[in-house]
Order: sequence, then C-alpha cells, then structure tokens
Amino acid sequence: NTKITQSPRYLILGRANKSLECEQHLGHNAMYWYKQSAEKPPELMFLYNLKQLIRNETVPSRFIPECPDSSKLLLHISAVDPEDSAVYFCASSQEGRLSNERLFFGHGTKLSVL
Amino acid sequence: GDSVTQTEGPVTVSESESLIINCTYSATSIAYPNLFWYVRYPGEGLQLLLKVITAGQKGSSRGFEATYNKETTSFHLQKASVQESDSAVYYCALGDSGGSNAKLTFGKGTKLSVKS
Repeated sequence: NTKITQSPRYLILGRANKSLECEQHLGHNAMYWYKQSAEKPPELMFLYNLKQLIRNETVPSRFIPECPDSSKLLLHISAVDPEDSAVYFCASSQEGRLSNERLFFGHGTKLSVL
Repeated sequence: GDSVTQTEGPVTVSESESLIINCTYSATSIAYPNLFWYVRYPGEGLQLLLKVITAGQKGSSRGFEATYNKETTSFHLQKASVQESDSAVYYCALGDSGGSNAKLTFGKGTKLSVKS
C-alpha cells in the first residue's frame, strides 16, 4: 500500500523529541492518528477533517498533531515516556464524518522508548 | 463506552479447514452501530475486509462472511476453507452511527496462523 506513507517505520528513542509523518495520495478529506500498544486494540488519538481538528481523544499533552494540508499529517512527540512505546498508525477516509466509511491505513511507525 | 470482544489468539488452523473468529460488541451510545472486520497481513497496515451497516445483513469478501446479529450483539467471522495466505491478524470493529465525528472502536485482534 503506497497510497498512505508513514515515516519513519521504526523509531527508538530516549527522552527526546520527534515527529512522525504521514502523507496520503487518495484525495481524502479526513486523516487520523491511531495508537496501538502491545496487547491492546488500535485506539483513536486525533481526527482531522479538511485540516480542522474535530476529534481529540484523551491523549497526553506531549502529543501534538499538525495538519499542514489535507494530505499530510504530523505527530510531534516531546519528552517521550516508556508508556508511549507502541505502533502509531495514520489513516484516512473520504469525509471523517460518516460512521460507515472505510478507513485506509498506513504501515505504521513502531516507536520503542528506551 | 463502546467495546468489542473477540476470540483470543493465536488461532492455528490447517489449510482447507473451516474457521470462525467470534466477535461480540457492546454499543452504549447507539442502538445499531456499523460493524467491520479489518485485517492486517504481515508487514502491512490494516485494511478493510468487510463491513455491514444494517442489522440482519451478511457481508462477504475473499471467501469470508460475517452476519450482523443484533439479538446476540455478534458479528462472527467465518470461512469455510482457509488458505495459508489468510494468515494475518483480524480485528472486529464498530463505528458510531449518527453521522458525526466518525470513530471506530476495535477489538484486540485475533492472530490467525494457517499451516500447510
């Protein structure tokens, strides 16, 4: 699947700042960040529609999303914590407002915090 | 809140055998959620396998089937004859219905290994 690309694929950090990047080439209006920790399901962190943040789940303030245009999504992480070790998935959908929409996911960024 | 419970893995099945992965849901905010199965093949991202948005209906894709049963709040995934290429992690999910701020609630996933 090259329609949604995420970088980097793997990330190993101490207590540092880092940004995850995502770009979709599907012409979708909505973009998402999901977090999947070990032994847990993917959980929604943020949802953007047409560059507007419309859903912000309970997420530590060290996670800051950014949507510079409707095809790009960033996740800035400052001073990572061991509990942040997880796979971070970017996804997109046509509108982000309809509950029967199909989501398209990227490969994920696996973050390991030392 | 909403929740999804599915068969704990890993599940190992021999090629050409039948498969069922159980999924039950609890939707506290909506009466009739939309239901999905997503699959993650090794090295890839999640992708939609099938979805059903109407209670009582059946969805099918790639030989897999799932029926939306609102009486038992279930959406079990079945396949009559699995192949080695079906080895993957399968996620059951429900979506808010109501039309605003779409959100998917996923189950923990069931890892399926098909041996030849």
